[in-house]
Amino acid sequence: ELKVEQNPLFLSMQEGKNYTIYCNYSTTSDRLYWYRQDPGKSLESLFVLLSNGAVKQEGRLMASLDTKARLSTLHITAAVHDLSATYFCAVDNAGNMLTFGGGTRLMVKP
Amino acid sequence: DTEVTQTPKHLVMGMTNKKSLKCEQHMGHRAMYWYKQKAKKPPELMFVYSYEKLSINESVPSRFSPECPNSSLLNLHLHALQPEDSALYLCASSHPPRNQPQHFGDGTRLSIL
Repeated sequence: ELKVEQNPLFLSMQEGKNYTIYCNYSTTSDRLYWYRQDPGKSLESLFVLLSNGAVKQEGRLMASLDTKARLSTLHITAAVHDLSATYFCAVDNAGNMLTFGGGTRLMVKP
Repeated sequence: DTEVTQTPKHLVMGMTNKKSLKCEQHMGHRAMYWYKQKAKKPPELMFVYSYEKLSINESVPSRFSPECPNSSLLNLHLHALQPEDSALYLCASSHPPRNQPQHFGDGTRLSIL
């Protein structure tokens, strides 16, 4: 059974600081997704990582995938308040089945 | 605004009621999904439809009955639900093959009295 673990589950950080969210998964997969969810809202797709060594960047967020280590990271550079949200990684188990990590609730303080 | 539309946004129902949740997308996606999300938890996959055929049922109780009338519509029929079924129900769609992200609707917040 695929298990996906994120850490930390809660992150409070100051504006302007850098931090990394980690996503570990238990079985082989080369398809990993990052989503953002604002309170009471839907999930927004951020990144699709499809191969070992894949790196994607959008604004202050950068995601990477190491399939050998079964690890993905989401790096936040110079955080701003607008990045406050819950971030989920999700691993494609087989045939469009996504298993989500527990989520990281990020609060960026001024 | 999301491209996957779910109705209603909120639903309160008793345990003996029958109701349906509706999901619609016009992106030409041929895979559609239902997820259940409890507060402060990740979404959990319930059903997957691929080319209008049910391909995955994650051991969901029979009081939840999915239906895919055509490639744009997905319904979830509810009957005799329990209070623990109260949650946010999210619909998503995607292009097969598997390399595309799933696009999520805003969800239906369901409360069972």
